[in-house]
Amino acid sequence: DIQMTQSPSTLSASVGDRVTITCRASQSISTWLAWYQQKPGKAPNVLIYKASNLESGVPSRFSGSGFGTEFTLTISSLQPDDFATYYCQQYNYYPWTFGQGTRVEIK
Amino acid sequence: QVQLQESGPGLVKPSVTLSLTCSVSRGSIRSTTHYWGWVRQPPGKGLEWIGSIFYTGSTYYNPSLESRVTFSVDTTKNQFSLRLGSVTAADTAVYFCARQSVREGGPPFFDLWGQGTLVTVSS
Repeated sequence: DIQMTQSPSTLSASVGDRVTITCRASQSISTWLAWYQQKPGKAPNVLIYKASNLESGVPSRFSGSGFGTEFTLTISSLQPDDFATYYCQQYNYYPWTFGQGTRVEIK
Repeated sequence: QVQLQESGPGLVKPSVTLSLTCSVSRGSIRSTTHYWGWVRQPPGKGLEWIGSIFYTGSTYYNPSLESRVTFSVDTTKNQFSLRLGSVTAADTAVYFCARQSVREGGPPFFDLWGQGTLVTVSS
């Protein structure tokens, strides 16, 4: 299985901060990576697909980059609605696997 | 806007078979650009892909669960279902059904989720 490792596990930040989350794959997955946001008691919601494509309806402050084994999700200016847990997921190889999650907390 | 809704028992006893159904509304399950999957999340933990099914009945299972899981699809009811056998407390989780979309010719990713249903395995 492809192991997806996110860092950090927890991130404390303030409104307006630029935030970056990293996701590393145990082997190359090309650009077949998605990012999801999950709030407590809710289903995940896709933000980015194919490493850097912004899903329709997602604010432009979210962006993704990377190729191969290293990927990043950036929030350019953190908003109150962005405090949540973020997951990366590779969909290049079965079984599709998720990172362990990064919790973004209010500083 | 397509919507997904899980249904099934919230409490099951150890060793029995768990059955869940996902109803798809405002859209057809008979799509050539969508797969239909199940993902679970134990309380306080991360996400685990269980498997996916195409409307033709083709299935793709996580090897870690393949010996216990069976998926089916009913295109007349616009539903797909999960059966997980020999459950234990470790199968306690929120179970999400989700749509996977094929875009730009690539593999499918999860672009629409049901709200999830908590299943507790306990005697």
